[in-house]
Amino acid sequence: AQKITQTQPGMFVQEKEAVTLDCTYDTSDPSYGLFWYKQPSSGEMIFLIYQGSYDQQNATEGRYSLNFQKARKSANLVISASQLGDSAMYFCAMRERLTGRRALTFGSGTRLQVQP
Amino acid sequence: EPEVTQTPSHQVTQMGQEVILRCVPISNHLYFYWYRQILGQKVEFLVSFYNNEISEKSEIFDDQFSVERPDGSNFTLKIRSTKLEDSAMYFCASSKREGREETQYFGPGTRLLVL
Repeated sequence: AQKITQTQPGMFVQEKEAVTLDCTYDTSDPSYGLFWYKQPSSGEMIFLIYQGSYDQQNATEGRYSLNFQKARKSANLVISASQLGDSAMYFCAMRERLTGRRALTFGSGTRLQVQP
Repeated sequence: EPEVTQTPSHQVTQMGQEVILRCVPISNHLYFYWYRQILGQKVEFLVSFYNNEISEKSEIFDDQFSVERPDGSNFTLKIRSTKLEDSAMYFCASSKREGREETQYFGPGTRLLVL
């Protein structure tokens, strides 16, 4: 079974609008961390936002927010006021903590294109 | 702001040759990682390193791979005898400890092409 599922291979959004990128995860570990990374066409992986499984509030970082629904095991990324520079691949990732592992498991990504 | 650096940015090698990919993690980070991303595919974990030893490795990280922290700043990934299927982007990452500090910060990557 996939640990991280990103069901949207591609998304389009108009500049200045908000967009939600979906991520669902599968774990039996009660302690985990969830991450979103951005990968522009140049290839680097840029950290965007983090949510811990015990965090009471949804994480926010500037224009990025994470819609964390623990019971549904979803951690959707919301980008507000999209900009042309937001066009990139976006990856959701998870670290399961209790086993002591530190490896991140990544989803297959969503390619976001922001249109002027 | 401190960042992870990697050299070289691109490397082309012949099948069977040895390659060494180099990384300088963020200076106050304790954990170091290598990941790879085959073109068009998801990012895959290779190995994590803590306190001068491997703390975790994936099934991809076989005997052809090794890691080393030869001094206080560099962290290297060696592939002893490259295969065509080793062609990928290789990312180094580093992190602190737990909570928000467990976030792994990635370097810009080394694009390896094996001919």
